[in-house]
Amino acid sequence: DTGVSQDPRHKITKRGQNVTFRCDPISEHNRLYWYRQTLGQGPEFLTYFQNEAQLEKSRLLSDRFSAERPKGSFSTLEIQRTEQGDSAMYLCASSLDGPLGYTFGSGTRLTVV
Amino acid sequence: GNSVTQMEGPVTLSEEAFLTINCTYTATGYPSLFWYVQYPGEGLQLLLKATKADDKGSNKGFEATYRKETTSFHLEKGSVQVSDSAVYFCALSPNQGGKLIFGQGTELSVKP
Repeated sequence: DTGVSQDPRHKITKRGQNVTFRCDPISEHNRLYWYRQTLGQGPEFLTYFQNEAQLEKSRLLSDRFSAERPKGSFSTLEIQRTEQGDSAMYLCASSLDGPLGYTFGSGTRLTVV
Repeated sequence: GNSVTQMEGPVTLSEEAFLTINCTYTATGYPSLFWYVQYPGEGLQLLLKATKADDKGSNKGFEATYRKETTSFHLEKGSVQVSDSAVYFCALSPNQGGKLIFGQGTELSVKP
């Protein structure tokens, strides 16, 4: 087991472009979470899946953000029409038993120029 | 609503000093409480957890006790090492769904 993998590690994009990030969770984990972390702050919850079902979505998540987990395995997070305020580290985590057994990935750092 | 407040950093200590990082929370119901650590250049790692009042979580010499009466979960270590230099995050999970609500983090720097 290689843990939670996120791809890419870094992404630089121009304002207005669309970006997509991928997260591969630990294979036996049924829950997958997305967070956003800006410099000097703690991670903020964005959304989570149990298997392929998206069960909760933060009010922080604007309509430009969408996440999918089509087969209950890997997940993608897409940001449309990126803005400079979207610059952050995007973290993925997975677990088998809710909050008690999280494993975080190393994150994707997005820079919007 | 649910929230977590941590003492502001950075905290700078000499090796072998006693560490306390304060954490208080606001939550409805009975949340689970966590401390996560982020070492330089690495991802978030669970340090310790407590799931009910008066539980004590412990790991690697760190301890924290779930105090419902003061809504606190302060992190302590009796003797810090240079290798403990990192950012520490207090977090709560308000329900079984599993989302975490984090504090803003406290940077710890331990000098030899």
